[in-house]
Amino acid sequence: TQLLEQSPQFLSIQEGENLTVYCNSSSVFSSLQWYRQEPGEGPVLLVTVVTGGEVKKLKRLTFQFGDARKDSSLHITAAQPGDTGLYLCAGALQGAQKLVFGQGTRLTINP
Amino acid sequence: EAGVAQSPRYKIIEKRQSVAFWCNPISGHATLYWYQQILGQGPKLLIQFQNNGVVDDSQLPKDRFSAERLKGVDSTLKIQPAKLEDSAVYLCASSLNPEPDTQYFGPGTRLTVL
Repeated sequence: TQLLEQSPQFLSIQEGENLTVYCNSSSVFSSLQWYRQEPGEGPVLLVTVVTGGEVKKLKRLTFQFGDARKDSSLHITAAQPGDTGLYLCAGALQGAQKLVFGQGTRLTINP
Repeated sequence: EAGVAQSPRYKIIEKRQSVAFWCNPISGHATLYWYQQILGQGPKLLIQFQNNGVVDDSQLPKDRFSAERLKGVDSTLKIQPAKLEDSAVYLCASSLNPEPDTQYFGPGTRLTVL
């Protein structure tokens, strides 16, 4: 059983469309991170959210941490082929030093 | 600034053989992590070092996996003997602090066990 469930697991859309990826748990996290991983590379950190209800924007990407700090979403506006990759959420359980990763959402943006 | 270095990038072995992976973290990063990423899954923490001490190895299969970071800098992860289910990408990451912090990942070593 995954502590962090990501949905959808696979998403293939056309360039220019909008999309949202979800990361859900029944556990409370002190912080949550989103990473993007490209083939043959390690994950690269996109953002860290720490406060319930927090919203952060990174160009066309909008990240939100749920009010109860149990879930998060990533919204991409006007997706580009360069957004293609594996998106991973990772949470730090309260009092723990390690990150727990979700299984990832594999996103493909078609030109 | 150089990133996290890992070698080899690819390794193919037969089951019951031994294999070792090497990681050199970013200079000055006290915390080093080894993760296992099976195809279609997110990374799973195997072991976390703070300098040369182990912080968490609760998910390391200690009957066959071992890791060391003798001088608090680079690290090796060994599997002996390998099983088919060990086929995965082994990622090394480092961070300045032990708390969930910005982790910088290396490119990984893709292991195939036949």
